Amino acid sequence: AQSVTQLGSHVSVSEGALVLLRCNYSSSVPPYLFWYVQYPNQGLQLLLKYTSAATLVKGINGFEAEFKKSETSFHLTKPSAHMSDAAEYFCAVSERGANSKLTFGKGITLSVRP
Amino acid sequence: ETGVTQTPRHLVMGMTNKKSLKCEQHLGHNAMYWYKQSAKKPLELMFVYNFKEQTENNSVPSRFSPECPNSSHLFLHLHTLQPEDSALYLCASSQGGPNYGYTFGSGTRLTVV
Repeated sequence: AQSVTQLGSHVSVSEGALVLLRCNYSSSVPPYLFWYVQYPNQGLQLLLKYTSAATLVKGINGFEAEFKKSETSFHLTKPSAHMSDAAEYFCAVSERGANSKLTFGKGITLSVRP
Repeated sequence: ETGVTQTPRHLVMGMTNKKSLKCEQHLGHNAMYWYKQSAKKPLELMFVYNFKEQTENNSVPSRFSPECPNSSHLFLHLHTLQPEDSALYLCASSQGGPNYGYTFGSGTRLTVV
């Protein structure tokens, strides 16, 4: 069975500061890993995904994540936070195969202080 | 426009009402999903359809009844709901599984009174 752990429920950073959102996964086979973002009153939007190519994955809006197998981690980072980054962020894992499905973490809310 | 359209955006219904949620995708995807998003809880997968066939029912109560008439349309029929069913219901689609990522609609905010 696959699972995702996102520790904490809320992260607050100052505008211009580093953003680091943590994600650890559990999977019995090599996984696919994803980060999604949800703005208020909207659905989820794909930020980036890891599907076994480069371990450092770049996504939209300046975000990136690094797959570390030894740590079973896929942390999301952005060098400089912007006010528009305030949202809820979800890490997700899936196993490979046509009938696999996404399992989401509980999400973490990012606040950006002026 | 995300490519996945959900209607209505908001719905208030009584516990004895019958209503339906609609999802439509114009992406040519062959898999569609219903998720429930409640406050303080992870997204819960409810149903999965592949090529119009239901491939997963994640122990969802029978008061939720999905329908997938074709690969582009997905419905969730609701009847005799409970207040705890109030949540954001999200529809998503994908091409051949999640490895390419899901495309989500904006959701229907359901309130059961």
